[in-house]
Amino acid sequence: EPEVTQTPSHQVTQMGQEVILRCVPISNHLYFYWYRQILGQKVEFLVSFYNNEISEKSEIFDDQFSVERPDGSNFTLKIRSTKLEDSAMYFCASSESGGPNEKLFFGSGTQLSVL
Amino acid sequence: GNSVTQMEGPVTLSEEAFLTINCTYTATGYPSLFWYVQYPGEGLQLLLKATKADDKGSNKGFEATYRKETTSFHLEKGSVQVSDSAVYFCALMNSGGYQKVTFGTGTKLQVIP
Repeated sequence: EPEVTQTPSHQVTQMGQEVILRCVPISNHLYFYWYRQILGQKVEFLVSFYNNEISEKSEIFDDQFSVERPDGSNFTLKIRSTKLEDSAMYFCASSESGGPNEKLFFGSGTQLSVL
Repeated sequence: GNSVTQMEGPVTLSEEAFLTINCTYTATGYPSLFWYVQYPGEGLQLLLKATKADDKGSNKGFEATYRKETTSFHLEKGSVQVSDSAVYFCALMNSGGYQKVTFGTGTKLQVIP
């Protein structure tokens, strides 16, 4: 089965630094997503992206966050100035058509630790 | 708003034991319901889903029935194996909204030989 690939698997950064989390969605998929899970809490929706623009975002996704599809294969999440509370597992996902019952394919996640 | 509540883990069972992981939800309208599984070192994978009331989703011996009257979607398996050890997430999605999925906290299952 095709896979969503995320790099790096672990990222450690100092508070206030910028980080970029990288994802390679499945090649024929058109819809892309970021979710995150703070340790011990629920997996939370951050943002969805289609046709080179954000289609929906949560209240978590403030001005410190941005997403980009810089080329035909990568999908990135940038946190401009990290805070301690940004420490979490970040999951990238993609789907083919974005319909309500369409299967989401998730990557294995990037564990971000902000010190 | 939408929310999903699932039983706290970890759950430890012996091989061949019966598994139930409880899940209840709060949502507007008629959501689709899902169970996702995360094996160690891997991403979230869709295990099964149900899109309307009384539907039963099933896969790999796991089952869950969409119960609108009790707003529940409990996961069951008759005989667990060591390879079922993973974290299980209950989730829902309303129609529309670009697949914004609402997840529970996850329940870790450990099956011992």
